[in-house]
Amino acid sequence: DTGVSQNPRHKITKRGQNVTFRCDPISEHNRLYWYRQTLGQGPEFLTYFQNEAQLEKSRLLSDRFSAERPKGSFSTLEIQRTEQGDSAMYLCASGSTGGVGPRWSDEQYFGPGTRLTVT
Amino acid sequence: AQSVTQPDIHITVSEGASLELRCNYSYGATPYLFWYVQSPGQGLQLLLKYFSGDTLVQGIKGFEAEFKRSQSSFNLRKPSVHWSDAAEYFCAVGLNTGFQKLVFGTGTRLLVSP
Repeated sequence: DTGVSQNPRHKITKRGQNVTFRCDPISEHNRLYWYRQTLGQGPEFLTYFQNEAQLEKSRLLSDRFSAERPKGSFSTLEIQRTEQGDSAMYLCASGSTGGVGPRWSDEQYFGPGTRLTVT
Repeated sequence: AQSVTQPDIHITVSEGASLELRCNYSYGATPYLFWYVQSPGQGLQLLLKYFSGDTLVQGIKGFEAEFKRSQSSFNLRKPSVHWSDAAEYFCAVGLNTGFQKLVFGTGTRLLVSP
């Protein structure tokens, strides 16, 4: 399978614990995005990487959240001291700056998501 | 602020009937508009996108959407719905920030009755 993969698919944790999610983008994609989707809502942008550089972070990404993309390949999203309000689906997407059209018109290919439940 | 409104939370359509899902956006500049579909356990899949040019865009799976600037709308249509179209549909606007930051609506869940 050459799509975007995310692990784990489901995570149940107790409040106060740390969790880490992994995203493996499509191999030739240099752009990577994280979104959060809560029940009954659309995805909300969290952060964006171009290669290994984190170029933008949403205000939703509190200081308990950290994302990395070492070497511009896979990415991890860590949540420290989880709270019940962190329960959500965390989506990863990748894209490429290549191709024709507006430079930011790349299609985003989404992974299946990691569903986090904080008890 | 940029926003996307999908006024219908749920829609039920009979199999074989036509479908229209509504989407209204608020954005000061030229909008870049998208429709995504999300099936249970699956990632979001792009159905179609509008950047410029012809205001009627064709997508995958027989879907189309029409951009109407005067109404700030980008409604999704399909002439004949199949049971496999049952899913959640999201409209999104892409912000011109140097990369494609998507702002999504709250989604419309489509149910298909036999």
